[in-house]
Amino acid sequence: DAKTTQPPSMDCAEGRAANLPCNHSTISGNEYVYWYRQIHSQGPQYIIHGLKNNETNEMASLIITEDRKSSTLILPHATLRDTAVYYCIVRGYNNDMRFGAGTRLTVKP
Amino acid sequence: GAVVSQHPSWVICKSGTSVKIECRSLDFQATTMFWYRQFPKQSLMLMATSNEGSKATYEQGVEKDKFLINHASLTLSTLTVTSAHPEDSSFYICSASGGDTDTQYFGPGTRLTVL
Repeated sequence: DAKTTQPPSMDCAEGRAANLPCNHSTISGNEYVYWYRQIHSQGPQYIIHGLKNNETNEMASLIITEDRKSSTLILPHATLRDTAVYYCIVRGYNNDMRFGAGTRLTVKP
Repeated sequence: GAVVSQHPSWVICKSGTSVKIECRSLDFQATTMFWYRQFPKQSLMLMATSNEGSKATYEQGVEKDKFLINHASLTLSTLTVTSAHPEDSSFYICSASGGDTDTQYFGPGTRLTVL
């Protein structure tokens, strides 16, 4: 079973920041938080991951709370092409990942 | 970097036949590969995990004799759906990890339709 909970859907205006929350209250000390997104009928695309520090790359920023029980993925300037299902995943001990239902982000013009 | 390919991208077969799907890591050596299945409007479900040169580890409820997985090299894993039936119609996706990072990179998926 997935170890994360996410809102089922969110809307965002084009050009605005999209902030996608994720709860992972049972995360263990050495488990990473990964974010992927899936555009219809394609394989998931890796976005970013982190352990306890905030992370930033060319796609997004990841903010992890100090107690590590939740995190937020930030897309700084959402575009229409960012419309997708976003998955927050806690990577297991054996490197396996259990996908939850994700958040369907719709970026609107 | 970190490109994973799958072949074929889609396949249609008759009930009772077997279908083989290939997953390749193109620019890194994948010590571990994963196979997922995704039904319409549902999330990805992990089917099995395979380490190069070892037998695959199957998730509970996944029949290992029906879904044969081979990971004979560091760049190739295959999933064979044996005696396929219409209920096996699904989107099959592989992922691979290895090298300096344990990050999984996903292939584009293979859509299987069993008539």
